[in-house]
Amino acid sequence: NAGVTQTPKFRVLKTGQSMTLLCAQDMNHEYMYWYRQDPGMGLRLIHYSVGEGTTAKGEVPDGYNVSRLKKQNFLLGLESAAPSQTSVYFCASSFGQGRNTEAFFGQGTRLTVV
Amino acid sequence: AQSVAQPEDQVNVAEGNPLTVKCTYSVSGNPYLFWYVQYPNRGLQFLLKYITGDNLVKGSYGFEAEFNKSQTSFHLQKPSALVSDSALYFCAVRDVNTGNQFYFGTGTSLTVIP
Repeated sequence: NAGVTQTPKFRVLKTGQSMTLLCAQDMNHEYMYWYRQDPGMGLRLIHYSVGEGTTAKGEVPDGYNVSRLKKQNFLLGLESAAPSQTSVYFCASSFGQGRNTEAFFGQGTRLTVV
Repeated sequence: AQSVAQPEDQVNVAEGNPLTVKCTYSVSGNPYLFWYVQYPNRGLQFLLKYITGDNLVKGSYGFEAEFNKSQTSFHLQKPSALVSDSALYFCAVRDVNTGNQFYFGTGTSLTVIP
């Protein structure tokens, strides 16, 4: 059982370049999330999805886009990378309701924009 | 508005002593509360949760947490700290009545001194 898998694990981009981060989960979770982690700021929600074909904005959505074409995958795109997007990005997934409601996290993607 | 506060950025404790990592929350309805641990260069790992029932919940690695509704707190505790407990700890709340999102604190860095 792989859980939540993120690719790539590391990436260096030049300002203005684009990239897509892929998140895959094999737990049949309805909800999926993208967070960024910056020192002293904890985890901030970028975008999330409550099911296949749906997405919604989180706390810090500007500069990012997402898609959830399949239930198990959640893609995070940066159309024109900026140095302010240098961060560690985490994907997570969870059930929507019930007692097994905790989120499961991927190992993270460390992105540097130069 | 939903929020989580971890008032201590850093907690130091001697090995073998009891440890406490503090968390307070604000949520409109009944809270679902969680603790996660993050080791260096890793994703967040689930430790324990409070949904309903007993106010004292037990989790992984000997950790436990007490839900206190009147003080809106959910402090993480362990009777005897290990050096291997040194990590970054995050408290989170999920408001199932409003958006069903997770809200994370800014994290507390725990150092257990040998």
